[in-house]
Amino acid sequence: LAKTTQPISMDSYEGQEVNITCSHNNIATNDYITWYQQFPSQGPRFIIQGYKTKVTNEVASLFIPADRKSSTLSLPRVSLSDTAVYYCLVGDDGSARQLTFGSGTQLTVLP
Amino acid sequence: DAGITQSPRHKVTETGTPVTLRCHQTENHRYMYWYRQDPGHGLRLIHYSYGVKDTDKGEVSDGYSVSRSKTEDFLLTLESATSSQTSVYFCAIGGRRYEQYFGPGTRLTVT
Repeated sequence: LAKTTQPISMDSYEGQEVNITCSHNNIATNDYITWYQQFPSQGPRFIIQGYKTKVTNEVASLFIPADRKSSTLSLPRVSLSDTAVYYCLVGDDGSARQLTFGSGTQLTVLP
Repeated sequence: DAGITQSPRHKVTETGTPVTLRCHQTENHRYMYWYRQDPGHGLRLIHYSYGVKDTDKGEVSDGYSVSRSKTEDFLLTLESATSSQTSVYFCAIGGRRYEQYFGPGTRLTVT
């Protein structure tokens, strides 16, 4: 499973766009990139998944450059309720044994 | 929300006693996972299952065993609980490529 590196924490203000980048230099050809959000005392929630280029859903966008060695989760116009820990996960089904979420990025949205 | 429940939600037990946590899904997903999460840490994989009677170890499997006799149920057993196993335990279900859906968690305290 590709090792991932994310910033430990980020602050933003309400209404701003937030971009959280994840580095995964040794990503394998079959690996997908998945992002999760976790609020205190809750299980993580699936946000978005992608393989290459750009993926968008009703919650976020995921940008993946051609070399796939990094990815950026983009949250448009954040609100206080987006304060959470965000995890980047990289891998495919064959590597589940090594699955690890890392420490994630604590996003704090300020009023 | 995905149809996944965990029981019990809270448990206090004494050192040396056996404990079984249950994860139940109504989504017919092939993959099921057990994680633990400790303060200030991300999620660490304990065991996972890729089908009925098919299980494998994760990063922190020592002291834990699992069983999956039906698609919908995945049991996590602590044969002889220790204080180091005090944690929040999350079950997850998923299809391919780590698009996982998490249960509400079980808070276990071993005294």
